[in-house]
Amino acid sequence: AQTVTQSQPEMSVQEAETVTLSCTYDTSESDYYLFWYKQPPSRQMILVIRQEAYKQQNATENRFSVNFQKAAKSFSLKISDSQLGDAAMYFCAYRSASPYGNQFYFGTGTSLTVIP
Amino acid sequence: GAGVSQSPSNKVTEKGKDVELRCDPISGHTALYWYRQSLGQGLEFLIYFQGNSAPDKSGLPSDRFSAERTGGSVSTLTIQRTQQEDSAVYLCASSSPGQASGQPQHFGDGTRLSIL
Repeated sequence: AQTVTQSQPEMSVQEAETVTLSCTYDTSESDYYLFWYKQPPSRQMILVIRQEAYKQQNATENRFSVNFQKAAKSFSLKISDSQLGDAAMYFCAYRSASPYGNQFYFGTGTSLTVIP
Repeated sequence: GAGVSQSPSNKVTEKGKDVELRCDPISGHTALYWYRQSLGQGLEFLIYFQGNSAPDKSGLPSDRFSAERTGGSVSTLTIQRTQQEDSAVYLCASSSPGQASGQPQHFGDGTRLSIL
């Protein structure tokens, strides 16, 4: 089974600064999808950004961008101009592109604190 | 509704009792997932439904856990003879057709289950 590792249980960033959350994964597949989800204290998981493995261009959504290094199996999330509302747990997730790949595999999460 | 709906939002019950948790996915979403999230932990996959196919039950932790999905829509997760270690937040997610297209999951707010 694929594994997803988030090595930073907790991170903090000053408001308006930039922070990078790391994620690595282990797979033998060549085609897959990677996701970052945000879980605020309200508990609902919210999709932040998605990356398709066959695309070399890094995905970007407003202040959120990823650094996807396929050979290194690394998928970090960069949050620019951090805002108080960015404070949450962030989960990295992997999904196979195979029609038989049913599961999403999640990392253990990184708790992000934003300091005013 | 507009999103994934889960009920109840909170459930407190005595050890040994059976509980039923309900998930109403987004209309038209053929894929439905159940996850368990213990305090401060990541998401543990429990079960996956895709259309009329046989569900992927590989994540169910014991035979006390079961789930069904009626009419390809609403799903019920049942835990029999609850134990204290079953205390967790149970999250449901759905995704739209196109299994291999990398569709993200849309999550409900979860049910917080507490076993006394």
